[in-house]
Amino acid sequence: DQQVKQNSPSLSVQEGRISILNCDYTNSMFDYFLWYKKYPAEGPTFLISISSIKDKNEDGRFTVFLNKSAKHLSLHIVPSQPGDSAVYFCAAIGGSNYKLTFGKGTLLTVNP
Amino acid sequence: KAGVTQTPRYLIKTRGQQVTLSCSPISGHRSVSWYQQTPGQGLQFLFEYFSETQRNKGNFPGRFSGRQFSNSRSEMNVSTLELGDSALYLCASSGGQYRRETQYFGPGTRLLVL
Repeated sequence: DQQVKQNSPSLSVQEGRISILNCDYTNSMFDYFLWYKKYPAEGPTFLISISSIKDKNEDGRFTVFLNKSAKHLSLHIVPSQPGDSAVYFCAAIGGSNYKLTFGKGTLLTVNP
Repeated sequence: KAGVTQTPRYLIKTRGQQVTLSCSPISGHRSVSWYQQTPGQGLQFLFEYFSETQRNKGNFPGRFSGRQFSNSRSEMNVSTLELGDSALYLCASSGGQYRRETQYFGPGTRLLVL
């Protein structure tokens, strides 16, 4: 069963607009969430994280929102830039282990 | 600080062979995790090592094994390769003392099994 779901395989936005990437999870034990960006032929690059005790975390153009009751998080990129075009993975960690559980990723394309 | 390095970057093997992949973590990091990325399954956790001990294990067959050395470098071994083992193998490192630590990934090793 997929414990972390990214239901949109792809998203296309115009440069300068907001990109919103969504992620849902099912495991109530998850208490730390991360977003990674991945270019082809490279490893995932850490973007931003959020602990379950918060509902928002900002870092420059990137903001992550967490809604624990809905088991939903989202990544907002404002303003979007063509260099943001990549696959974005949502990941979660929780319980007693150190393993990251990933969603299947969303391909973001930012058009000039 | 240098990032996570993985060698080799690309490998071609045939069915039935075995392969060893290497990962050097960020200096000071003691935890190394391995992940397999395939188009169909996404990123899946293989195992995690901390201070030379396997601390967590994913749902992969026993053909997949690993180890960690005293300098925190880690190796992953796949024996009796199958076509389905073709994938990008990623390792990630973190301090390892706390669960809520960011894991930093290497560039991966692309394995093709013919």
